[in-house]
Amino acid sequence: GAGVSQTPSNKVTEKGKYVELRCDPISGHTALYWYRQSLGQGPEFLIYFQGTGAADDSGLPNDRFFAVRPEGSVSTLKIQRTERGDSAVYLCASSIGTGELFFGPGTRLTVL
Amino acid sequence: AQTVTQSQPEMSVQEAETVTLSCTYDTSESNYYLFWYKQPPSRQMILVIRQEAYKQQNATENRFSVNFQKAAKSFSLKISDSQLGDTAMYFCAFMKGGKLIFGQGTELSVKP
Repeated sequence: GAGVSQTPSNKVTEKGKYVELRCDPISGHTALYWYRQSLGQGPEFLIYFQGTGAADDSGLPNDRFFAVRPEGSVSTLKIQRTERGDSAVYLCASSIGTGELFFGPGTRLTVL
Repeated sequence: AQTVTQSQPEMSVQEAETVTLSCTYDTSESNYYLFWYKQPPSRQMILVIRQEAYKQQNATENRFSVNFQKAAKSFSLKISDSQLGDTAMYFCAFMKGGKLIFGQGTELSVKP
């Protein structure tokens, strides 16, 4: 049983570019979460999915951020027109619904 | 709104001693879940212990235990017989409605 995986582990991009971050949850986990973590801070909730649909997207900071989970498994977080303030570690987690979240190692995004 | 407050940004403890990390939260709900997560320098977040609000008995997992005071909205973590491998960021988290909200974290250093 592999854990949650995230690709890439590091992404460096230029201001204004588009990026996609991928998350592969644990097989069979119906819930999938995205968090953003800035240096020295706690993870900040962005969005979570139950199956294919977004159950709560209240944490997405603006319309440049979008996430999909078309087949109820892999999810992609998409950020348009990146800004320097988007630089952070993006964490993905999955859950079978018991309340315990299993986290991936994160993607460190740097916007120059 | 639901918030989680960790008032100790940093703590240190001598190996084999006991340390307590504090957490308070704010909610109007009566049924919810509380968690402590550990994030070592490797970055991957792992669950330490969980508590269901309707249970009066404090949760215990080996060297880790909680002091859950529902009326005071307090949820502290006690680590007994501290080990060097306990060095990490510790996050208190609150779950309601499927969404996990984290505190700002406490950086714990265990010294030999």
